[in-house]
Amino acid sequence: AQSVTQLDSQVPVFEEAPVELRCNYSSSVSVYLFWYVQYPNQGLQLLLKYLSGSTLVKGINGFEAEFNKSQTSFHLRKPSVHISDTAEYFCAVTANSGGYQKVTFGTGTKLQVIP
Amino acid sequence: DTGVSQDPRHKITKRGQNVTFRCDPISEHNRLYWYRQTLGQGPEFLTYFQNEAQLEKSRLLSDRFSAERPKGSFSTLEIQRTEQGDSAMYLCASSLEGIQDTGELFFGEGSRLTVL
Repeated sequence: AQSVTQLDSQVPVFEEAPVELRCNYSSSVSVYLFWYVQYPNQGLQLLLKYLSGSTLVKGINGFEAEFNKSQTSFHLRKPSVHISDTAEYFCAVTANSGGYQKVTFGTGTKLQVIP
Repeated sequence: DTGVSQDPRHKITKRGQNVTFRCDPISEHNRLYWYRQTLGQGPEFLTYFQNEAQLEKSRLLSDRFSAERPKGSFSTLEIQRTEQGDSAMYLCASSLEGIQDTGELFFGEGSRLTVL
């Protein structure tokens, strides 16, 4: 079985400052990795995904993430945050389970951008 | 097609009442999932359909919960005899089975249930 750990439940950061949201995973098989964003009272929206190839993945809204297999991490970064980035961010891992890719989510990190 | 749609977006009910949520997935997606999300938690898997077949149910899905996808298109999630602990956001997601099945999910905006 796979699991995802997001150690930071809340991350406050000033506008235009850089941010890193941490994600560590565990799995006994090969996985795919995702970051989703959730704005208040809305569903989840895909930010970016790592399937294979280059370990640095770029997503929407200027976010990027780096897959590190040896450290089993997939941290999300943005060099300069904007007020509109205030949201909750979920890391997710998928692994094959009975013929389909079963998704496991972390508990989320709330990013609060301070003006 | 504009994406996954869920109805209603908000439901307030009294304890003991039955509620039903509907999900319309992206039309060409044959896989449909229900998740539950409570405050401070990530989405928790409830159940999964491939076409009309319900292939997996979580232990979170008690006997009071039932989900259907009768024609392999829309799905309903019914909660009978609601309890205050059922208060949560119920999220529906869909995906397309394929050679490059990565598990990427397309979510609806959720149905928020408040049980008084």
